[in-house]
Amino acid sequence: KNEVEQSPQNLTAQEGEFITINCSYSVGISALHWLQQHPGGGIVSLFMLSSGKKKHGRLIATINIQEKHSSLHITASHPRDSAVYICANFGNEKLTFGTGTRLTIIP
Amino acid sequence: EPEVTQTPSHQVTQMGQEVILRCVPISNHLYFYWYRQILGQKVEFLVSFYNNEISEKSEIFDDQFSVERPDGSNFTLKIRSTKLEDSAMYFCASSEGTPGEQFFGPGTRLTVL
Repeated sequence: KNEVEQSPQNLTAQEGEFITINCSYSVGISALHWLQQHPGGGIVSLFMLSSGKKKHGRLIATINIQEKHSSLHITASHPRDSAVYICANFGNEKLTFGTGTRLTIIP
Repeated sequence: EPEVTQTPSHQVTQMGQEVILRCVPISNHLYFYWYRQILGQKVEFLVSFYNNEISEKSEIFDDQFSVERPDGSNFTLKIRSTKLEDSAMYFCASSEGTPGEQFFGPGTRLTVL
């Protein structure tokens, strides 16, 4: 069964801190997605990766295929980064989602 | 920038009624998806659709659910006889390829009374 676990479930940090969110999955993947869900409910794709590392602005995503583990990092965090971050594993034509990490950045 | 749109944004219906949720995917995308999120829970896959056929569906997607691409632009999710437990946010998504970055619509909040 394809399971996706995220940690931590909740994370509160001060503005400027370096943030790490972890994701582990149980079965091999075609691609691993990182998504951001805003307080209003909308979902935005941040990254899709199947190996190595990707960077977009202050966000960095890494994946270790052998360990079935991915991390999302946010450098110089800002209150506008406050959202739920969701890891999702794409395989067999469907996404399996983690429960999300609720990130709150305090000014 | 192209985006996925969904209508309505909020639908209230009585238990047992049929509802149709509508989505307009990004125009050059070929793969389409429906997901749902019950309040306070994680997002769940419902169905994937490609080349006018269902590619994959979850256990949630039973005989009460159907999807259709009635023309070149719309992608619909029909729930034939709604139940209280169908109350959720329903998201449509599309991608150009598979696996591919998925672009999500803003969601339709379905409330079944």
